[in-house]
Amino acid sequence: GDSVTQTEGQVALSEEDFLTIHCNYSASGYPTLFWYVQYPGEGPQLLFRASRDKEKGSSRGFEATYDKGTTSFHLRKASVQESDSAVYYCALSDTNAYKVIFGKGTHLHVLP
Amino acid sequence: GGIITQTPKFLIGQEGQKLTLKCQQNFNHDTMYWYRQDSGKGLRLIYYSITENDLQKGDLSEGYDASREKKSSFSLTVTSAQKNEMAVFLCASSIAGTSAETLYFGSGTRLTVL
Repeated sequence: GDSVTQTEGQVALSEEDFLTIHCNYSASGYPTLFWYVQYPGEGPQLLFRASRDKEKGSSRGFEATYDKGTTSFHLRKASVQESDSAVYYCALSDTNAYKVIFGKGTHLHVLP
Repeated sequence: GGIITQTPKFLIGQEGQKLTLKCQQNFNHDTMYWYRQDSGKGLRLIYYSITENDLQKGDLSEGYDASREKKSSFSLTVTSAQKNEMAVFLCASSIAGTSAETLYFGSGTRLTVL
């Protein structure tokens, strides 16, 4: 079945560091890809999505590019802030349109 | 805008007990979901419902029942709580129809089984 793999379980950075969180997917069809962010005590919320090969999604300084060739959707930010500390989930929509599959999440800690 | 309300926020149960979690949304969304969140395991789909009175099993449905009697509400029942179980249950909703829909989540119910 379809799946999402996030390589990093935890990432610790200092403010103004560059962030990369790796996301690779496996899907039989042509899924839509998502990044969600979850702050402590809240549910996940959409950061952005991308639906086509080479499409770039972006929000709040974060960005990711849909790469069908390498089946990847890596999250990047040029300069992280302490307020970016959260759990980040990569997800894809199944070929069954109602089913969204999530990766295991990456806990980002940004130190002041 | 809208909101998803999950009750209770914290639920403590005993081993073998039947426990019910409730979710209400005022987005007027057709589709609703229950996910289980465990540390290091991400979000796993338990049940989803495309419309009122519809139920679809996710990957983790064993040990759970669900009910969607109204468009705005979606309940999840843990049929027999397992000792030392700890997890967060997240309810979500989305507009039906396409694969690009955003999921809107509640803030979760944290379950502890003694």
